[in-house]
Amino acid sequence: GQQLNQSPQSMFIQEGEDVSMNCTSSSIFNTWLWYKQDPGEGPVLLIALYKAGELTSNGRLTAQFGITRKDSFLNISASIPSDVGIYFCAGQLRETSGSRLTFGEGTQLTVNP
Amino acid sequence: DVKVTQSSRYLVKRTGEKVFLECVQDMDHENMFWYRQDPGLGLRLIYFSYDVKMKEKGDIPEGYSVSREKKERFSLILESASTNQTSMYLCASSFVPVSGELFFGEGSRLTVL
Repeated sequence: GQQLNQSPQSMFIQEGEDVSMNCTSSSIFNTWLWYKQDPGEGPVLLIALYKAGELTSNGRLTAQFGITRKDSFLNISASIPSDVGIYFCAGQLRETSGSRLTFGEGTQLTVNP
Repeated sequence: DVKVTQSSRYLVKRTGEKVFLECVQDMDHENMFWYRQDPGLGLRLIYFSYDVKMKEKGDIPEGYSVSREKKERFSLILESASTNQTSMYLCASSFVPVSGELFFGEGSRLTVL
């Protein structure tokens, strides 16, 4: 199946710092999504991207759909303690997979107050 | 408020036991999914269903089966649990097939001894 490589695997930062993480794929997608999983909870959708080159913001979060359709980036500005959790990227190629998503390995984010 | 409910948060079973994981959604979604989450591997799709009594294999179906007798309920079955099935299991549902947005339950952590 399709493979997604997400990096970094983990990050330890100080409150107030900015965070960047990214996902690359061996094949193209036409939808990229970013989810966050709080400790003890299921993942929740943060941002969805539907067009190559698209840049979308949701509060302190900004995500971009790479122009090659094989990558995506998520930035978090001015991190706060509640940003702690696991962030997953996910890609979807609707023509072949319907509703199926391929998920990255996740980025574990720790924010020190 | 959308809700995906998984019947058990924590289970401990013995090797060879039959295990049932239940998932119920109250959003009238057509699509339901079972994922397995392991550290460093992200979320991997076990089975999914687009409609009642319909099921399709995901990326790692071996050792699992599913049942969808009613639209709101999707069950994951481990016919004979093994230690390598110790994991976090996440159920999800979605309404619009091509949007990519999944709604997840809180997860069921299964330990097989």
